[in-house]
Amino acid sequence: AQSVTQLDSHVSVSEGTPVLLRCNYSSSYSPSLFWYVQHPNKGLQLLLKYTSAATLVKGINGFEAEFKKSETSFHLTKPSAHMSDAAEYFCVVSDRVEYGNKLVFGAGTILRVKS
Amino acid sequence: GAVVSQHPSRVICKSGTSVKIECRSLDFQATTMFWYRQFPKQSLMLMATSNEGSKATYEQGVEKDKFLINHASLTLSTLTVTSAHPEDSSFYICSATQETSGHTDTQYFGPGTRLTVL
Repeated sequence: AQSVTQLDSHVSVSEGTPVLLRCNYSSSYSPSLFWYVQHPNKGLQLLLKYTSAATLVKGINGFEAEFKKSETSFHLTKPSAHMSDAAEYFCVVSDRVEYGNKLVFGAGTILRVKS
Repeated sequence: GAVVSQHPSRVICKSGTSVKIECRSLDFQATTMFWYRQFPKQSLMLMATSNEGSKATYEQGVEKDKFLINHASLTLSTLTVTSAHPEDSSFYICSATQETSGHTDTQYFGPGTRLTVL
């Protein structure tokens, strides 16, 4: 079974500084990996997706993630944090099961942006 | 595109009653829909996967008789929590995907339904 580990439960940055949210995956085959964001009491929004094309994936709102097979990592970055980026971020891997695919979520990282 | 809605957004019910939550794909046909629950300060846990016109596949530990899932059309799935109890209080989120093949596995999520059982 596939799994993801988000290495930080909380990350705090100042507005205008870079953001790094770390994720490591475990997969027996080339995985599909995602980053989703969840604002308080809201549903999840897809930030970006990796599916074995370019290893550097650009997403919405200035976020990007780099797939590094040698490190089994898929860290999420943004050059300059904005107050509106404060939310919870989930690293997700797609797991093949007999009836199709299911998403396996990491524990989440809460991003706090200080003014 | 790829918008998923849920109704209601919040519901409060008495213990022992049943609650139905609807999940709709507004601008695409969703051959597969998923139901998750999320406890406070925790991640999402998949409850079940439903394909249009067939029985849902439940994850281990999820009671199929308690959480009834119906996926009668390509744009609507419902989750009914039967005989709800306070421990069923949670945030229920649905998602939908446009493909069944598994080659495209992006799921589009609804805004969630906050269930509180008194």
